[in-house]
Amino acid sequence: QKEVEQDPGPLSVPEGAIVSLNCTYSNSAFQYFMWYRQYSRKGPELLMYTYSSGNKEDGRFTAQVDKSSKYISLFIRDSQPSDSATYLCAIVGRDNFNKFYFGSGTKLNVKP
Amino acid sequence: DAGITQSPRHKVTETGTPVTLRCHQTENHRYMYWYRQDPGHGLRLIHYSYGVKDTDKGEVSDGYSVSRSKTEDFLLTLESATSSQTSVYFCAISAQGGQTYEQYFGPGTRLTVT
Repeated sequence: QKEVEQDPGPLSVPEGAIVSLNCTYSNSAFQYFMWYRQYSRKGPELLMYTYSSGNKEDGRFTAQVDKSSKYISLFIRDSQPSDSATYLCAIVGRDNFNKFYFGSGTKLNVKP
Repeated sequence: DAGITQSPRHKVTETGTPVTLRCHQTENHRYMYWYRQDPGHGLRLIHYSYGVKDTDKGEVSDGYSVSRSKTEDFLLTLESATSSQTSVYFCAISAQGGQTYEQYFGPGTRLTVT
């Protein structure tokens, strides 16, 4: 069983739509949750992180964590064509911060 | 990708040949990581380093070795490449690995083993 599962998509939405990206994880020991964005043929870049249940906002992006359900989400408001990329969730446990576990990524296409 | 370079960026090699990938950083970060990225699997940690000459295994370390003789360089070696090692390899660095969620990734190396 994978540590973290993510729907690969692809997800295609019109410009201005609200996008919801989701991951589930298996082990309640994971305490820290990140979202990375990866443009085609580039390395991933950190978008957001959180370590507690609830919501965290950063501009048009909101990260949500539900530890009781082991479910994490990323919402993108007013999506733009420049948001077209692959989004990867990542989790890490408190016991070893060096061992990140990544989801397989969801490919998003925002159509103008 | 600022401060992290990977070489080569593309390589095609034959099964059974040795291959070495290089990651070079100019940020003076202590922690460095090698990942591979494959469709359906996302990024998987191969090995990481927490200082010069200090390394540890990740999730998929079989068939790979690493070395770090200088802070700025982290080498990944495939002693005898196999087709299952065809992948995109990413290097990452962290200033406070072990205490932070922030890892910064290089541009990747696309390796094809024929």
